[in-house]
Amino acid sequence: EVQLLESGGGLVQPGGSLRLSCSASGFTFSTYAMSWVRQAPGKGLEWVSVISGDGGTTFYADSVKGRFTVSRDNSKNTLYLQMSSLRAEDTAIYYCAKMNGRSRPYWNYDYWGQGTLVTVSS
Amino acid sequence: QSVLTQPPSVSGAPGQRVTISCTGSSSNIGAGYDVHWYQQLPGTAPKLLIYGNNNRPSGVPDRFSGSKSGTSASLAITGLQADDEADYYCQSYDSNLNWVFGEGTKLTVL
Repeated sequence: EVQLLESGGGLVQPGGSLRLSCSASGFTFSTYAMSWVRQAPGKGLEWVSVISGDGGTTFYADSVKGRFTVSRDNSKNTLYLQMSSLRAEDTAIYYCAKMNGRSRPYWNYDYWGQGTLVTVSS
Repeated sequence: QSVLTQPPSVSGAPGQRVTISCTGSSSNIGAGYDVHWYQQLPGTAPKLLIYGNNNRPSGVPDRFSGSKSGTSASLAITGLQADDEADYYCQSYDSNLNWVFGEGTKLTVL
């Protein structure tokens, strides 16, 4: 059974930093691209970042480019999101999600974690 | 504002059929990229409902179906049930923006 468990969320001041983690199990972690998707309170889903299975290729939404860094440790089956220069508009539930599909433009999010809440406020 | 447009809300009575549209453009759905659909029950994480335009993951009832034509896609739900009440999101790939989600549609079962 695929399981994704996020941790690391919390309250942080504007301009601060936070690192999220996602522990994965139930599948061959290094084989699949992984993603972070966020959902602001009462709002829709927003793709944040994607990292390839080997960690060599990363993608970022324009809204976080230059401030967030996605990484993974395949020996620990863990995905990370390092967030810096945080802003109030980064307040959201952050979901870790496994990606699946025949090639990058056709990837979907086939499994999701339960999410971790990040609140940016003074 | 998302590049994939969905109606903010739809509703239907138990047993009825409802559809949710997802309208894109030539840089995403119209470019031939697949459309996927997610169901988000209140207070829970999203769940993959339809992938590759019209495929259901194991465990998803055949009351849910997807279709795609041109620059649009649709999710149909037949035999509406109370526990179908949720938010539904379409998702595709955009040549300029990478992965994109629709704004979401709230389904109310009357």
